[in-house]
Amino acid sequence: KAGVTQTPRYLIKTRGQQVTLSCSPISGHRSVSWYQQTPGQGLQFLFEYFSETQRNKGNFPGRFSGRQFSNSRSEMNVSTLELGDSALYLCASSLLTGPQANTGELFFGEGSRLTVL
Amino acid sequence: DQQVKQNSPSLSVQEGRISILNCDYTNSMFDYFLWYKKYPAEGPTFLISISSIKDKNEDGRFTVFLNKSAKHLSLHIVPSQPGDSAVYFCAASAKGGGNKLTFGTGTQLKVEL
Repeated sequence: KAGVTQTPRYLIKTRGQQVTLSCSPISGHRSVSWYQQTPGQGLQFLFEYFSETQRNKGNFPGRFSGRQFSNSRSEMNVSTLELGDSALYLCASSLLTGPQANTGELFFGEGSRLTVL
Repeated sequence: DQQVKQNSPSLSVQEGRISILNCDYTNSMFDYFLWYKKYPAEGPTFLISISSIKDKNEDGRFTVFLNKSAKHLSLHIVPSQPGDSAVYFCAASAKGGGNKLTFGTGTQLKVEL
């Protein structure tokens, strides 16, 4: 069974540019979450999508957005990049039995390492 | 506002001994707690979890203890093995929060021969 796939794995952008990251969840998983990992901050929740609907959103500015497609694949976008956006962006998928289910057991991809110069 | 805290950034133990990783939380709404392990250049992998209705959960060499009154949980690894060397993240979720996890900043465990 293929795991969570994130592309690209590494990318370099300059301030002011925008970036789109992609995530393919484990087959059959309908929930996709995004996390930002920076040194000293641990993993911080960005948002979660389930059946193409955003279920939860973390405390990030509106420059961070996402979407989910009918095949459960997800993309996140960061516009007007800032130096502080340099981070590892992790996508995680989960098999939920319903919109109120709460397993918390996420399967993470290897991440997309974004460097903003 | 760090709602989940791992106050020890690093821990070093000898092979065969017990590793104890600690985690504190402040949000009383958290009702499910998890530990993830992360190797360099890989995504975190789920290790073990515990519901707030329990105070202990065991899985092989790994045991998680939850003290709700103290808002504290710990992960015990016995016996520790060199392959356990990794960063360990404590995480928590609240009922109805879906898959929104609040993570600690991690503890780097090094198991020495």
